[in-house]
Amino acid sequence: QQPVQSPQAVILREGEDAVINCSSSKALYSVHWYRQKHGEAPVFLMILLKGGEQKGHEKISASFNEKKQQSSLYLTASQLSYSGTYFCGTDLNQGGKLIFGQGTELSVKP
Amino acid sequence: SQTIHQWPATLVQPVGSPLSLECTVEGTSNPNLYWYRQAAGRGLQLLFYSVGIGQISSEVPQNLSASRPQDRQFILSSKKLLLSDSGFYLCAWSPGTSKSGKLFFGSGTQLSVL
Repeated sequence: QQPVQSPQAVILREGEDAVINCSSSKALYSVHWYRQKHGEAPVFLMILLKGGEQKGHEKISASFNEKKQQSSLYLTASQLSYSGTYFCGTDLNQGGKLIFGQGTELSVKP
Repeated sequence: SQTIHQWPATLVQPVGSPLSLECTVEGTSNPNLYWYRQAAGRGLQLLFYSVGIGQISSEVPQNLSASRPQDRQFILSSKKLLLSDSGFYLCAWSPGTSKSGKLFFGSGTQLSVL
């Protein structure tokens, strides 16, 4: 039931782009994306609801393909502040109960 | 505005000792409340989920229990801690009126069981 994220880790230089994928074996109502800095609580980035929408947040955007039960997070022109662990959380049945993937550790180097 | 308080920030407990972690939310009514655990370098594991007072859903069989004695108070407990209970515990809330609202996390409790 836990969604699968890929890659597990990625290292970027400032200004480079990255894509983080999240796949579920079950149909999804919504997908959430969060970022966590070391030793801190996760911080909300965005929610994508059933309907195949794409959302953006500055240079971070995401898509949700409900047929494929997948979501992707796109980070463009990465900044040092983008470093952290990214988690996707999936809600299967509109119940608000989020199950998180194992996380993708993103490191942005100067 | 809504705020979430979680304490203590760090805790070191011997094996076999009891545990009580508390979380309170301010500025909202009837929130959904959650306890997550994060082992070192690992993902977020949902432990308990509550949609109202006295309504607790346990997601993973384990040595822990949760209670919600008041609308905005969520307590995580254990009678006897195990080494495997070590980890970073996060309380979170989401709007109860929203079917898929975003989670707001507390600052977490780093628990070390020795």
